[in-house]
Amino acid sequence: GAVVSQHPSWVICKSGTSVKIECRSLDFQATTMFWYRQFPKQSLMLMATSNEGSKATYEQGVEKDKFLINHASLTLSTLTVTSAHPEDSSFYICSVGAGPTYEQYFGPGTRLTVT
Amino acid sequence: AQSVTQLDSHVSVSEGTPVLLRCNYSSSYSPSLFWYVQHPNKGLQLLLKYTSAATLVKGINGFEAEFKKSETSFHLTKPSAHMSDAAEYFCVVSDRRTGANNLFFGTGTRLTVIP
Repeated sequence: GAVVSQHPSWVICKSGTSVKIECRSLDFQATTMFWYRQFPKQSLMLMATSNEGSKATYEQGVEKDKFLINHASLTLSTLTVTSAHPEDSSFYICSVGAGPTYEQYFGPGTRLTVT
Repeated sequence: AQSVTQLDSHVSVSEGTPVLLRCNYSSSYSPSLFWYVQHPNKGLQLLLKYTSAATLVKGINGFEAEFKKSETSFHLTKPSAHMSDAAEYFCVVSDRRTGANNLFFGTGTRLTVIP
């Protein structure tokens, strides 16, 4: 399966600042990547689908101006949390869709804490 | 429409005893079904997948699952639990008609292994 990395693995930022999270597909050219957030002891919630070379598709209720997604190459997608607030504190996970059987390969996640 | 129900939010077993994590699904079309495992503060790792071939699917680390269409179930089993199996397990369904963009996650089952 595809190997996916995320950077940073853990970030603490102050309220009002912006944070960028990188998702890299290390061994697979990913035309589509996915961004999820996960609150403690809850399941994953799909935030958006990131398409290489085009605008991301956001799920209902996710603010596209707050969660900026850029997928400029086949190996890199970035999620920028703008003007972060404490309620944005969460575990953010990206994934790569691969193969005809539709499994996704997940990155290790980024824990964001906004103080 | 697709949905997944994980019947137990928490399962506790003794080391060396069998593991059963239950999952029922609903799908309008031929589903692909997956089990993922998540260790604390980690991303998701694919354990196994069903995609219309053999109904008994073997995965990594001794896990297996059986697709039962008549019961709309895809329960995860392991003959003998190991301490390292303690983690969160997610049952996931996708619609093979629309593919990887539509993964539906269960709410997760936390497996505790008692030494």
